[in-house]
Amino acid sequence: DSGVTQTPKHLITATGQRVTLRCSPRSGDLSVYWYQQSLDQGLQFLIQYYNGEERAKGNILERFSAQQFPDLHSELNLSSLELGDSALYFCASSAPGGGGELFFGEGSRLTVL
Amino acid sequence: AQSVAQPEDQVNVAEGNPLTVKCTYSVSGNPYLFWYVQYPNRGLQFLLKYITGDNLVKGSYGFEAEFNKSQTSFHLKKPSALVSDSALYFCAVSPEGGSQGNLIFGKGTKLSVKP
Repeated sequence: DSGVTQTPKHLITATGQRVTLRCSPRSGDLSVYWYQQSLDQGLQFLIQYYNGEERAKGNILERFSAQQFPDLHSELNLSSLELGDSALYFCASSAPGGGGELFFGEGSRLTVL
Repeated sequence: AQSVAQPEDQVNVAEGNPLTVKCTYSVSGNPYLFWYVQYPNRGLQFLLKYITGDNLVKGSYGFEAEFNKSQTSFHLKKPSALVSDSALYFCAVSPEGGSQGNLIFGKGTKLSVKP
């Protein structure tokens, strides 16, 4: 158990809908990262937050947004969903001043029908 | 552009034989290098990392990796494979200053260990 908690584990929705994925980092970790894993694209970095502030942005679509709250949990919002958004979404956290390794949650599997 | 390549989609080995999963990288500066393992329907688990120092890094579950700067490679190895090692393995790199954390991952290599 990495200590990173993600909910929900599975989500099935329709095209055009909006969903929110939630992540709680390990105790003491200030950074949260979101990754998308799909068969064709592999693991793609979406966005990073550090202590509530956006730190880095990757291949995140404009239809997607994220935030990190004062209690350090994070939410990833996916809107106007398309079939191609079906994927496994991972959250990870890292320790402040750590050696760079990330600790991943179990993921949220999104299926868009 | 920074990138990581895992040239083999799948590696098959017999239990008890040594295994190697290959990784090459292209980044500017001195990278931090990582290996992760993913079991079916699970998140990624950290195996080991190279930051500086000894080119041979030892990690979890008997795995080790060899950093080769001239060949820009960071191959994962294990002297004797177990059936339970069967999983998806990812190499990742972080740009210089590596605690930034937004790792760049390779496509992954599926390791299959047969009894």
